[in-house]
Amino acid sequence: DAEITQSPRHKITETGRQVTLACHQTWNHNNMFWYRQDLGHGLRLIHYSYGVQDTNKGEVSDGYSVSRSNTEDLPLTLESAASSQTSVYFCASSVKDNSPLHFGNGTRLTVT
Amino acid sequence: SQQGEEDPQALSIQEGENATMNCSYKTSINNLQWYRQNSGRGLVHLILIRSNEREKHSGRLRVTLDTSKKSSSLLITASRAADTASYFCATDALAAQFYFGTGTSLTVIP
Repeated sequence: DAEITQSPRHKITETGRQVTLACHQTWNHNNMFWYRQDLGHGLRLIHYSYGVQDTNKGEVSDGYSVSRSNTEDLPLTLESAASSQTSVYFCASSVKDNSPLHFGNGTRLTVT
Repeated sequence: SQQGEEDPQALSIQEGENATMNCSYKTSINNLQWYRQNSGRGLVHLILIRSNEREKHSGRLRVTLDTSKKSSSLLITASRAADTASYFCATDALAAQFYFGTGTSLTVIP
């Protein structure tokens, strides 16, 4: 069965370190997204991609970057981790615009 | 922010009762979706309703949409303990970008 997987499930890192969260989908979806989930804020869009070599900023993109070199993967990089980036991160994909999103199970990131 | 807002923030009911959650949003939309999130897991899509639809059913779920009031409701009938989860509405203003509300936490007591 097709799926979307995130790794690692849990990560603890120190302030100032670079961190990369992996997202891999086997749906062959063009659209991929990164969200962060925080209490009181719901899910907020960080970055998204409509296809290979395409990346776009979401509403909370500062301090994050993504790259899309193939259809399956959209890694999220925190250039210099900050305590404010402690959160649960979700990757999602969709087959086309306005289609339902398929979510991974999330990565819990703690920045100390 | 284009984020939606769910109401109530938390809801506790007895098994067999109906659960109603509401979502309000700020901008015009193409469609609105509802998702469920079990503790420690990703969100799972429940139902999508388009802006030209007023009501949609899927099993025990009924969704209504009032674009004039910029609001939607999700009704779960004959609730079960397994329905215990958080429920989110998501709206799209641009292409594939979805904006989520803060969610309603539903507890169904056996």
